[in-house]
Amino acid sequence: SQTIHQWPATLVQPVGSPLSLECTVEGTSNPNLYWYRQAAGRGLQLLFYSVGIGQISSEVPQNLSASRPQDRQFILSSKKLLLSDSGFYLCAWRRGGSRGYTFGSGTRLTVV
Amino acid sequence: QKEVEQDPGPLSVPEGAIVSLNCTYSNSAFQYFMWYRQYSRKGPELLMYTYSSGNKEDGRFTAQVDKSSKYISLFIRDSQPSDSATYLCAMSVNQGAQKLVFGQGTRLTINP
Repeated sequence: SQTIHQWPATLVQPVGSPLSLECTVEGTSNPNLYWYRQAAGRGLQLLFYSVGIGQISSEVPQNLSASRPQDRQFILSSKKLLLSDSGFYLCAWRRGGSRGYTFGSGTRLTVV
Repeated sequence: QKEVEQDPGPLSVPEGAIVSLNCTYSNSAFQYFMWYRQYSRKGPELLMYTYSSGNKEDGRFTAQVDKSSKYISLFIRDSQPSDSATYLCAMSVNQGAQKLVFGQGTRLTINP
């Protein structure tokens, strides 16, 4: 069966520090991968998606970047965090042509 | 105007009540409609998936889509305390779409 792993679960980082969140999927190959952010009381905002290794599409210009160094690995990064980067970050995957997404358990990031 | 509007609630009902959750949307090209359930501090999980207009039933849950009114609903019968969660609607133009558009989410509490 397919599983998605996302870590860390909780992170507190100072303003200006770097960020690296990692997401891996097991039990499938060539998944579509997504990074979403969920601010308090708000819906999910798509940040990046990837349909293959090295292929990254950005939905919103911001302080973040994404990379896909391996087929089932998706990384969200920032060189210098801003207070506005605080939120709940969710990784998701979808097999091409399948219904809906499967989400990871999320990372709660607080920038102080 | 947001593409998808969802009343954020919170909504509080007694155990056993029928719950109605709703979303409206503005993009008439949406054809695939989903409901996700998100427990506190967890990632969303797919609850219901429907295509085009009509009803779909799964146990105590019924999803309705009215494309003429651009309105979708999720009904929960015989609500249980374990149904307490945030419910997010989501939709896409086609099954192969790279992104889903989410509503803000409705926070639901079922009181024993």
